[in-house]
Amino acid sequence: EIVLTQSPGTLSLSPGERVTLSCRASQSVSTNFLAWYQQRPGQAPRLLIYGASSRATGIPDRFSASGSGTDFTLTISRLEPEDFAVYYCQQYGDSTRAFGQGTKVEIK
Amino acid sequence: EVQLLASGGDLVQPGGSLRLSCVASGFTFRNFAMAWVRQAPGKGLEWVASLNDAGDSTSYTASVRGRFTISRDQAKNTLYLQMSSLRVEDTAMYFCAKGRGPYCDSGCQGRVLDSWGQGTLVTVSS
Repeated sequence: EIVLTQSPGTLSLSPGERVTLSCRASQSVSTNFLAWYQQRPGQAPRLLIYGASSRATGIPDRFSASGSGTDFTLTISRLEPEDFAVYYCQQYGDSTRAFGQGTKVEIK
Repeated sequence: EVQLLASGGDLVQPGGSLRLSCVASGFTFRNFAMAWVRQAPGKGLEWVASLNDAGDSTSYTASVRGRFTISRDQAKNTLYLQMSSLRVEDTAMYFCAKGRGPYCDSGCQGRVLDSWGQGTLVTVSS
């Protein structure tokens, strides 16, 4: 069973800053089957990234992601007000399809 | 525009049953895998169950296997989650979500959840 650990738990940042979120897997994620989701308060999650680095339809290019094996990152190049949210990684390579516990990006 | 409208959430006693529904529109429902994901109050996301495009292949998280059943009605463009033997720890917002593809092919696109409904709240309490 793959366990995903996201760090840090919370980030306090200002609009315009660059942010990098980490997602570490307890074992290698099959074929980079890793996705990132954004959840704004009171809303449903939204797919940002799949296949570890492919942006979903309509996602701005300030969002980028990379990684392989057990270490993955999501980068937001310049934070916009609407980017303050919780971000989850999820692996979909094994039967558990586990999510990480989330990283909250809050306004400083 | 893809729309997923979930309903059926309610307050139910431990040991009780409930059926959730999710009506889909804006895409060809029969061509895509579907899933349920839940979120306990103040907690993170937990994948619950998935179903392939044809409706003949299912998978469940361990804690609900044998108690929950995911199904679909292609004619009604509707996804279901039948929940029985409910426990207090099943209390959560339940989201239905659409896969990017029909099933887990070489890219497992069906497991990537590219559209989500707003959710329906299930509360299990005496």
